[in-house]
Amino acid sequence: DTAVSQTPKYLVTQMGNDKSIKCEQNLGHDTMYWYKQDSKKFLKIMFSYNNKELIINETVPNRFSPKSPDKAHLNLHINSLELGDSAVYFCASSQAAHNQPQHFGDGTRLSIL
Amino acid sequence: GDSVTQMEGPVTLSEEAFLTINCTYTATGYPSLFWYVQYPGEGLQLLLKATKADDKGSNKGFEATYRKETTSFHLEKGSVQVSDSAVYFCALSGIQGGSEKLVFGKGTKLTVNP
Repeated sequence: DTAVSQTPKYLVTQMGNDKSIKCEQNLGHDTMYWYKQDSKKFLKIMFSYNNKELIINETVPNRFSPKSPDKAHLNLHINSLELGDSAVYFCASSQAAHNQPQHFGDGTRLSIL
Repeated sequence: GDSVTQMEGPVTLSEEAFLTINCTYTATGYPSLFWYVQYPGEGLQLLLKATKADDKGSNKGFEATYRKETTSFHLEKGSVQVSDSAVYFCALSGIQGGSEKLVFGKGTKLTVNP
């Protein structure tokens, strides 16, 4: 009964390919997020969705496209993968109310060959 | 914009030593402050939080006090254990562009040796 689950855990692929990472939460939260963590552990928000609506879209290349089919799912599709996309991607969720903590998945380690 | 600065690691301690990880922030308004912990191979977990000035968050022997006058939220533990080895992130929750989001510090890696 994992709260925030993302798949796959590891993703190894070649430059130029298109890949997707899926995220699901069973906490009943209405806000979901995608973060990118680089090799130095620096964590930066990419997107957030509230009730399937895009709320935050940081400066992220438009090769990255989030999709939220319902409020329990937020998938991340990446086109034309580049070497610099290698990182660990974390999905998170929270209640929309102020000051609510975020719950994180275990991450997807993306490696571009 | 809002930002968080935390002490750079890595930090290496012996078991039962005292731990302090410094964290200071810059923010408009009145953010909430958090400490998250990331164990190897896992996602971040909330360790503790404080939502207003002078609040003290505590959990698993860790404590941090929201100090508005020094814009700080330092993490402390009186006696660390090997199992506390992890990366610790200080974060603030602020409103930017009408949306609430977390801003993280760069993380501090803690290694505790037996």
